[in-house]
Amino acid sequence: DTEVTQTPKHLVMGMTNKKSLKCEQHMGHRAMYWYKQKAKKPPELMFVYSYEKLSINESVPSRFSPECPNSSLLNLHLHALQPEDSALYLCASSPMITGGAGNTIYFGEGSWLTVV
Amino acid sequence: DQQVKQNSPSLSVQEGRISILNCDYTNSMFDYFLWYKKYPAEGPTFLISISSIKDKNEDGRFTVFLNKSAKHLSLHIVPSQPGDSAVYFCAASPLGGANNLFFGTGTRLTVIP
Repeated sequence: DTEVTQTPKHLVMGMTNKKSLKCEQHMGHRAMYWYKQKAKKPPELMFVYSYEKLSINESVPSRFSPECPNSSLLNLHLHALQPEDSALYLCASSPMITGGAGNTIYFGEGSWLTVV
Repeated sequence: DQQVKQNSPSLSVQEGRISILNCDYTNSMFDYFLWYKKYPAEGPTFLISISSIKDKNEDGRFTVFLNKSAKHLSLHIVPSQPGDSAVYFCAASPLGGANNLFFGTGTRLTVIP
């Protein structure tokens, strides 16, 4: 089972709203990720959690706030977003945080976010 | 600075024929290479990978070849099927450090029935 599930699949929010994206994996993976993908572009890394602790923040604006409640769950809290933040947000997980052979990153289906 | 490059934005192949997708990289620290397949409005699906200590890995209709001296890898799909039509991303992961994937810009494969 290599499943990462994300909810909601689609989200429309106003610039003053507060919303959250949720992600869950049951593969026992210790690293979880948030990526952002714009149309016709490759995914861009936002955050990495390792053993429920934030390890990497790729200079993401504070209007995006990640949270890892436990080893299976990852949330992305959204507040005061801009229209240019509209994108596909991808959650992913891998067995460990370190790069190298066998440490495959598995992606969820993504949450389409539209900011109006 | 694009460390992983897919120079062909699109490729069309007749059903039943071989599809060859190419990828070049510049960073000699890359140790693990992956191919992902992506349908519109969905997340990337892991397809096949190869470690830098190998030069070939095969899984059913999919084979990935790695030429370390040329810093080049390719994905062969044979025979190609209409359901293979998607965008294919090549990605690379450096040895040690954080497991950050460096993605190519993708190649859109269209398999014509």
